[in-house]
Amino acid sequence: EVQLLESGGGLVQPGGSLRLSCTASGFTFSSFAMSWVRQAPGKGLEGVSSISGSGGTTIYADSVKGRFTISRDSSKNTLYLQMNSLSAEDTAVYYCAKGIAARAWHFDYWGQGTPVTVSS
Amino acid sequence: EIVMTQSPATLSVSPGERATLSCRASQSVSSNLAWYQQKPGQAPRLLIYGPSTRATGIPARFSGSGSETEFTLTISSLQSEDFAVYYCQQYNNWPLTFGPGTKVDIK
Repeated sequence: EVQLLESGGGLVQPGGSLRLSCTASGFTFSSFAMSWVRQAPGKGLEGVSSISGSGGTTIYADSVKGRFTISRDSSKNTLYLQMNSLSAEDTAVYYCAKGIAARAWHFDYWGQGTPVTVSS
Repeated sequence: EIVMTQSPATLSVSPGERATLSCRASQSVSSNLAWYQQKPGQAPRLLIYGPSTRATGIPARFSGSGSETEFTLTISSLQSEDFAVYYCQQYNNWPLTFGPGTKVDIK
């Protein structure tokens, strides 16, 4: 059974940093692209960042480019999102999502989400 | 950035009836379009991609069609568990973009 478990969310002040983690199980982690998708309160979905199965390709939304870094550790079956220079606009539930292939940017499994609140 | 629009914003349907949801892209996304279902407090669930391939475990009452800029999700006979918000997503180009959603509620 595929499982994705996010952690690391919480309350952070504007300008602060957080690192989100997503621990995966039930599939060959290195064979699939992984992504972070966020959803602001009461709003729709926004693709934040994706990484290919090999880790050789990383992609970012313009809204987070230069501030967020996606990475993966296949030895730990874990996906990361390092978030710096956070602002109120980054407040959202952050979902970890599994691509359907190594370089696929649509998602067949999602985690339960971890909330990030940026506020003073 | 490819802008995705969905219509209607809200669709009121009686159980057993057919529901037709539309999604439009501001430029061609070829066949790189997916549909998701989201219920309150839950993560989205993949229904359809490619844009007519059902994901694993998705009932046959869900079907997708379209290409380029115009896409449709059809639920042939609504069940109680189908009342939710439905999002389309293009994955032809980054940034990945989602539509604003169509809420399907009980008439």
